[in-house]
Amino acid sequence: EVQLVESGGGLVKPGGSLRLSCAASGFTFSSYSMNWVRQAPGKGLEWVSSISSSSSYIYYADSVKGRFTISRDNAKNSLYLQMNSLRAEDTAVYYCARVWDGWSLVFDYWGQGTLVTVSS
Amino acid sequence: EIVLTQSPGTLSLSPGERATLSCRASQSVSSSYLAWYQQKPGQAPRLLIYGASSRATGIPDRFSGSGSGTDFTLTISRLEPEDFAVYYCQQYGSSSWTFGQGTKVEIK
Repeated sequence: EVQLVESGGGLVKPGGSLRLSCAASGFTFSSYSMNWVRQAPGKGLEWVSSISSSSSYIYYADSVKGRFTISRDNAKNSLYLQMNSLRAEDTAVYYCARVWDGWSLVFDYWGQGTLVTVSS
Repeated sequence: EIVLTQSPGTLSLSPGERATLSCRASQSVSSSYLAWYQQKPGQAPRLLIYGASSRATGIPDRFSGSGSGTDFTLTISRLEPEDFAVYYCQQYGSSSWTFGQGTKVEIK
């Protein structure tokens, strides 16, 4: 069974940093591209960042470029999101999501999310 | 960046009725990269439709997707109680993904 479990969320002050983790199991993690998607309270979904299976290709939404860094450790079946210079508008539930390995670049499995709150 | 606009914002229907949700793109989208997700309160999104019209694994056949270019539709033929949720369309292009703002299907 595919499982994605996020951790690392919490309360942080504006300007602070936080590192999110996503532990993957039930599939060959090293074969899949992975993403972070966030959802502000009561709002819609926003794609944040993507990383290819071997970390060769990395992309960011403009809203986080230069502040967030996505990475992965295939030996540990883990995905990470280092978030620096956090702002109030970064407050959201952060989901990790797997990219389907078929012909359509959709997110076929999602974690349950971890809440990040940026507030003084 | 391609903007996806979903309508209506809220759809109030009764169980057994047909739901028709619209997703309009600001420029043409490859049908291969158009998807629909369902999200219930407190849960992660679930993939329903990919490639504009293909159902994901385990998705009932009352869910169907159609469309091309800039106009896409998700249809739920007969609403079941568990179908009342928020639905998002999503597209991929130029190394990024965008989502529509969502349509809430609520019980009338």
